[in-house]
Amino acid sequence: DAGVIQSPRHEVTEMGQEVTLRCKPISGHDYLFWYRQTMMRGLELLIYFNNNVPIDDSGMPEDRFSAKMPNASFSTLKIQPSEPRDSAVYFCASSLRLAGVETQYFGPGTRLLVL
Amino acid sequence: AQSVAQPEDQVNVAEGNPLTVKCTYSVSGNPYLFWYVQYPNRGLQFLLKYITGDNLVKGSYGFKAEFNKSQTSFHLKKPSALVSDSALYFCAVRDTIMNNNAGNMLTFGGGTRLMVKP
Repeated sequence: DAGVIQSPRHEVTEMGQEVTLRCKPISGHDYLFWYRQTMMRGLELLIYFNNNVPIDDSGMPEDRFSAKMPNASFSTLKIQPSEPRDSAVYFCASSLRLAGVETQYFGPGTRLLVL
Repeated sequence: AQSVAQPEDQVNVAEGNPLTVKCTYSVSGNPYLFWYVQYPNRGLQFLLKYITGDNLVKGSYGFKAEFNKSQTSFHLKKPSALVSDSALYFCAVRDTIMNNNAGNMLTFGGGTRLMVKP
């Protein structure tokens, strides 16, 4: 299995532009998570899905952020408009619910820089 | 509510010496506990987990962790550190008391940077 795939690996954009981050979870996993990692705030859970349905988006910082999961093999995290404070590494992770003892598997991350 | 504390931002150890990375947790019920490692410019990698049973859990790369319920701790250990162990280590917890809609949310600690010097 290729593991969790994220694209792009690096993104540099200017303030005000729309940014779309993409994730392909491990085949067969029915949970998908989006995290953000910064030096100041550490690793934060933004949103997670179960069977393509958003379950908890309380970690999404504001309305500029949105996430979708149109099918079991693809999810996007969109920032519109982007701001310099959105600069961070964004991770996608997936897991298979198995008797409540799931392990999350992380993608390599997308390093976002908003100028 | 569940929470995790990693009291040390950084741990320095000489190669060949034993290492310990500390983690304490707080949950309402019983915990599921995890350790992840992050190498530079990489995603988090699973190391080991405690679900139930033996308090001493063995994981990847020679790491182990000991669950101590009375001290609410889950410290990561390795008897002989390698330079290649230098990385960022995250402890995570999930409370067993969760409703069906809560899924499998993990709460991560702030991370501890392990530096192993030759």
